[in-house]
Amino acid sequence: EIVLTQSPGTLSLSPGEGATLSCRASQSINYNYLAWYQQKPGRAPRLLIYGASRRATGVPDRFSGSGSGTDFTLSISRLEPEDFALYHCQQYGNAHNSPRTFGQGTKVEIK
Amino acid sequence: EVQLVESGGGLEQPGGSLRLSCEASGFTFSSYAMNWVRQAPGKGLEWVSGISATAGSTFYADSVKGRFAISRDNPRNTLYLQMNSLRAEDTAIYYCAKDPGVLPAAHFDYWGQGTLVTVSS
Repeated sequence: EIVLTQSPGTLSLSPGEGATLSCRASQSINYNYLAWYQQKPGRAPRLLIYGASRRATGVPDRFSGSGSGTDFTLSISRLEPEDFALYHCQQYGNAHNSPRTFGQGTKVEIK
Repeated sequence: EVQLVESGGGLEQPGGSLRLSCEASGFTFSSYAMNWVRQAPGKGLEWVSGISATAGSTFYADSVKGRFAISRDNPRNTLYLQMNSLRAEDTAIYYCAKDPGVLPAAHFDYWGQGTLVTVSS
């Protein structure tokens, strides 16, 4: 099973600043099959990025994903008030013979 | 608009059973794999189970294998999770989540709002 480690645990930033979230895998993720989700309190997760860098439908272009192998990054160029939330990464590179797994999450909070 | 609406959660004693349902609308349900993903209080997300579009293949996390059973009724656009031999560690919000393809093997492109399962005596 691939273990995903997200860092930092909490990111304290001000609106307008940029954010960089990291997701590191315990082994290389095939085809860069990594996704990012945003979750607000009491709400379901929302898909932001899949395939490491492809934005989901309706996701603003201030969100971007990058990385390959074991190291992946979610960047938010200018934080809007609605971007303060919990972010999860998820891998699906070996889904046919091992479970899809998530990181423990990074909380982006208002400084 | 894709909608996934879960129901069936509640309080159950250890060793008991619950059946969760997820009603889907806004897409051709029979063309896509479906999943259950859970989130324990204050914890991260955990994939629990997935089922292919035709229900021909089912998959489970080791933590629930042998105790949970996923199924679907395509004419009724409904996904199910039969949960038996419940344990305290099964306490979580259970989300229904759609796959973008016919096999449960990718990211999750749509999620329901979740239903809370609490296992406690």
